[in-house]
Amino acid sequence: ELKVEQNPLFLSMQEGKNYTIYCNYSTTSDRLYWYRQDPGKSLESLFVLLSNGAVKQEGRLMASLDTKARLSTLHITAAVHDLSATYFCAGSSNFGNEKLTFGTGTRLTIIP
Amino acid sequence: DGGITQSPKYLFRKEGQNVTLSCEQNLNHDAMYWYRQDPGQGLRLIYYSQIVNDFQKGDIAEGYSVSREKKESFPLTVTSAQKNPTAFYLCASRGRGSQETQYFGPGTRLLVL
Repeated sequence: ELKVEQNPLFLSMQEGKNYTIYCNYSTTSDRLYWYRQDPGKSLESLFVLLSNGAVKQEGRLMASLDTKARLSTLHITAAVHDLSATYFCAGSSNFGNEKLTFGTGTRLTIIP
Repeated sequence: DGGITQSPKYLFRKEGQNVTLSCEQNLNHDAMYWYRQDPGQGLRLIYYSQIVNDFQKGDIAEGYSVSREKKESFPLTVTSAQKNPTAFYLCASRGRGSQETQYFGPGTRLLVL
């Protein structure tokens, strides 16, 4: 059974700083997803990572995947207030069925 | 506009009552999913469907039922057997292709009176 753990659970950081959110998973996952959720809202897809060494970037966010270490990271560069949200990673353990297992999320607060 | 709609936005359930949450998509996606989110938690899979007239239980299916009579629609019924139904319910759909992600609807917040 796939388990997904994120850390930290809570993160406060100043504008302009860099930081990384970590996502560890317990068994083989054929793909790894990152989502963003604003308070009271639904989930917005950020990245889909399919293979070892995959790196994707969008604005100040960059996600990477190391399947050997069973680790994905979400790196935030020069944080701005608009990035305040909860970030979830999710793994897919059922090839073809796309059953996602979510981490508990990282609540990110950017302080001016 | 293509997308996923869920209704109602808020739903109140009385003790012993069954309630049905609606999920409709016009993205022509084959696969649809129902998740439950409790405060401060991640999402947990209730049911999913890969194709019309077929669906499978997820990790927390007890007390819930679904149907998939049309490609566009995947309603979720929260039955009286679900003893702790208060949560945020999210519906998602996914197209084919390895680069596809699951797209989420706006959610339904269910409260017990």
